[in-house]
Amino acid sequence: EVQLVESGGGLVQPGRSLRLSCAASGFTFDDYAMHWVRQAPGKGLEWVSGISWNSGSIGYADSVKGRFTISRDNAKNSLYLQMNSLRAEDTALYYCAKSRGWFDPWGQGTLVTVSS
Amino acid sequence: DIQMTQSPSSLSASVGDRVTITCQASQDISNYLNWYQQKPGKAPKLLIYDASNLETGVPSRFSGSGSGTDFTFTISSLQPEDIATYYCQQYDNPALTFGGGTKVEIK
Repeated sequence: EVQLVESGGGLVQPGRSLRLSCAASGFTFDDYAMHWVRQAPGKGLEWVSGISWNSGSIGYADSVKGRFTISRDNAKNSLYLQMNSLRAEDTALYYCAKSRGWFDPWGQGTLVTVSS
Repeated sequence: DIQMTQSPSSLSASVGDRVTITCQASQDISNYLNWYQQKPGKAPKLLIYDASNLETGVPSRFSGSGSGTDFTFTISSLQPEDIATYYCQQYDNPALTFGGGTKVEIK
């Protein structure tokens, strides 16, 4: 069974950093691109960042460019999101997702709350 | 970035009704358009990929059509378990974008 499990969320003050992780199992991790998608409370879905199978192609939403860094470790079947200079508007549930252009499946999400 | 305009933002329909949601892209995205269902408190679930392909295991009452800039998602006969918010998503452009979502409720 394909499974994605996010971790690393929590309450953090504005301007501080947080690192999210996504542990993958049940599929050949280095065959697929992976993405982060977030959802602010009561709001819609927003793509955050994506990384190709070999880390050769990386993209970011304008809203996080220069502050967030996506990475992956294929030996550990893991995806990461380093989030720096966090803002209140980064408060959201962060999902990781396996991708072939479409996202399937999604993890259960990890909640990031940015507040003083 | 490509903007995805989804409508309506919400709708109320009776069990058995045909429900249609539209998604318009700000530029030609060929058929690089996917549809997701999100139930309250749950992660989104892929229903349709590449505009019209039904994901394995998804009931056949769900369907999608369209290409270029205009796309349609249809539930042929609304069921109580279909209460959810539905999103379209394009992947023609590396900056992936979602529609604003359509909340479907039972009348």
